[in-house]
Parts: sequence; C-alpha cells; structure tokens
Amino acid sequence: QKEVEQNSGPLSVPEGAIASLNCTYSDRGSQSFFWYRQYSGKSPELIMSIYSNGDKEDGRFTAQLNKASQYVSLLIRDSQPSDSATYLCAVNEAGTALIFGKGTTLSVSS
Amino acid sequence: SAVISQKPSRDICQRGTSLTIQCQVDSQVTMMFWYRQQPGQSLTLIATANQGSEATYESGFVIDKFPISRPNLTFSTLTVSNMSPEDSSIYLCSVDRRNYGYTFGSGTRLTVV
Repeated sequence: QKEVEQNSGPLSVPEGAIASLNCTYSDRGSQSFFWYRQYSGKSPELIMSIYSNGDKEDGRFTAQLNKASQYVSLLIRDSQPSDSATYLCAVNEAGTALIFGKGTTLSVSS
Repeated sequence: SAVISQKPSRDICQRGTSLTIQCQVDSQVTMMFWYRQQPGQSLTLIATANQGSEATYESGFVIDKFPISRPNLTFSTLTVSNMSPEDSSIYLCSVDRRNYGYTFGSGTRLTVV
C-alpha cells in the first residue's frame, strides 16, 4: 500500500514568518512530487512540483526533496493570511495517478 | 491554462438513486482520474479511465457502484449508483496536462438524503 504521510496540523504562524510543511512517502519508486493548496470548498490547485533531489524555488515557495529519506517539504516565506489553506502533498510514478497525503492545515494570523 | 469543465457542481439526491458526473477537457488526454474527497478528508483515488478500455479501479471501489465511461480523449463520466448517505462527498476529475501538471475540475458536491 503506497502511503503519503503529513502532519494534519493545524500549523499556525504569524504573518511574515516562514511556514514549513513536511511530507514522507512509502513508495521508493515515486518519481514526481507535488504540493497542492486547497481552500475550503474549492478544488486543489497545484503550487509546486519537484522531480529531483534538492531545492526548487518559485517566488515565496521552496520545495525540497530528499529521495534517500523519502521526504518532501514545502517552505512558504513571508507568509500571508491569504496562504491560510490546506496543503496537500502528492506523489506518483510516471504516468500514474497522484496519491495524496491527508493534508496540513495552515493558519496565518495577521 | 488547462480547462476542465465538471458538472453538476452540486446535487442533492435521494438514497437509492444514481447520479452521473461529467468531466470535459479542452484538449485530448490519455488518462483521466476520478477522486472522492469525503468531508474533512483528503483525496482518495476511485479509478483511472483510459479511452477505449475499461477503467482501472482502486481497492475498495467497484464498477457496479461507480461505473465509468470514457468515450473519447476529452470526456469521461462517473456514475454513483444506488446511493446512500455514506456517498455524500465531493467528487473530482483530474487530468495530467503535460505543461500544467495534474489539474482538477471544480468538483461535484454530492449530498445524499
């Protein structure tokens, strides 16, 4: 059974702080790794994808991947109240469906 | 950006009836995926739909309960059959758009009473 584990939270950070979200996965064959943001009542929105070990930065977001440790993380710098949402980690092997973690709820207070 | 049109957006249905959810993509895709998101939970894969072949179902989901059609490379339907209150969920279709990643339809919020 392929599993993706996330701390459900809630993770609470003040505005302007760094939010750190973590994810581990069980399938060593996983090749692609994604972070989605989901606002209440909305469908998931892709914010980051990463495929190789190391860091990938996009604006205020940085995804980090360590395949040896089967670990993926997402850092959100200068957190804003509009970042308050549930963040879903997802992984897959090439050409297959995404397997999702349970999500981490982030709350950014102003 | 990728456009996936999913309908209906929501419905309230009587137990024992069936509901068919439609997903239309604005370009051809090989695989379409159907997920369920129960209240307060994450996304669970129901099945993968390929054009021209039967859908592949995940453990815990069966064709008699969730029949899927995939008549062409831009369209798929998921039917929730013989519904019970436990089927109340959000149902989402998803596709892999090579330049845009895996994207989702807007979802169908189903309430069974």
